[in-house]
Order: sequence, then structure tokens, then C-alpha cells
Amino acid sequence: DVKVTQSSRYLVKRTGEKVFLECVQDMDHENMFWYRQDPGLGLRLIYFSYDVKMKEKGDIPEGYSVSREKKERFSLILESASTNQTSMYLCASSEAGQPQHFGDGTRLSIL
Amino acid sequence: AQSVTQLDSHVSVSEGTPVLLRCNYSSSYSPSLFWYVQHPNKGLQLLLKYTSAATLVKGINGFEAEFKKSETSFHLTKPSAHMSDAAEYFCVVSDLRKAAGNKLTFGGGTRVLVKP
Repeated sequence: DVKVTQSSRYLVKRTGEKVFLECVQDMDHENMFWYRQDPGLGLRLIYFSYDVKMKEKGDIPEGYSVSREKKERFSLILESASTNQTSMYLCASSEAGQPQHFGDGTRLSIL
Repeated sequence: AQSVTQLDSHVSVSEGTPVLLRCNYSSSYSPSLFWYVQHPNKGLQLLLKYTSAATLVKGINGFEAEFKKSETSFHLTKPSAHMSDAAEYFCVVSDLRKAAGNKLTFGGGTRVLVKP
């Protein structure tokens, strides 16, 4: 079974902090994705990566950046956290042409 | 461009009765379609997928879905609901061509309540 592991289930940070969310997959997948999930808004794609050191903006990239230095790891960075970035963050990975597999999510609160 | 509409935001059923979750889609390409389930405080789990083979797709936990191109629908059904089916369900459309980057378009979700 594919395993996508997000480093934290719950995280509390302060406004203005730089925040790192980590995601690791164990199936050598090419593609990795970061979403945020908010009530009434569903899942929205922040960034995705289709190869090491490659990244593309999703639908809501503002305020975020990503890093993919190794194939198995995809990091989401909040450069200067703000309260409107309080959300559930979901990481996913997939092989080309195949469905995405999701981690359990990180519930991030920015105070 | 592609989009997904889940016609019911909430569905309430009694344990042992059938479940029907409705989904309509639009896509510029021959779509791949999925249903995912999300239990509280968990990530999304793939229930089933349609990728242009058989139009009736069987998934895990007794769920199945039928792709109807003429109706642009991909409704999810289960003959007999179980308490463990209480969760949120997402209908998803994707253009799985490599050039499209495997991006998914999600429906708004249907929350299922199962009454004893």
C-alpha cells in the first residue's frame, strides 16, 4: 500500500512565523501535491511538483512556497504565517496517469 | 476546463438502506473520474475509479458507481449502508494526461449521516 506521511497532525504557530509542513511518500511517485481544505470551500490546490526541483502553482499559491529536493519529500512553506492560513493541509502523491494518494492531513492553527 | 457538481451537500440514511450520492461533471477531454471518502480528521481514501474501461465500476466497502456519458453523471451507490459509512464523499474529475500534471478537480463534497 502507498503511504503518504505528513510530519504533524496538529500544529499551532504564531502570526509572522515561517512554517514548514513536511510530506514524505514511499512509492517513488513522480507527482506530489499540496492542498488546503476549508469548510464550504472544499479542497484547493496550492502547489504541485511533477519531478525533483520542479514545481508549479496551483489555484491559490499566494503566501506559500514549496521545496522538492528529493523525490520522496515535498515541503510546503508559509513564508510569514497569517491567521487566514489556518486550515487543514493535505499532501498527496501519484504516479503519472494514476489516482492520487493522500496523507492524513495537518491541522494548522495560526494565532 | 473541467468541473464537478455534487448535487447533495448532506445525505441522511438509515443503517441497512441504500445510499445514493449524485455527481455530475463536465470535461473538455475524456475524463477520469473518482470517488474519495474522508472520515473525520483523516485524509482522503480512494473508493473507486473510472478510466474509460467498464462503465460500472466496483470499489471498496461495497460501493459502486456508474459512468453515464450521455448524462455526464457518475453517481455512487451502495445497497446497504453501514454505520462506518458515515463520512464525507468527494466526486473528482481528472485529466490524467501527463501534460496536465495529474491535477484533480473536486466536487464540494457530500456528508453522509447513517442513523441506527
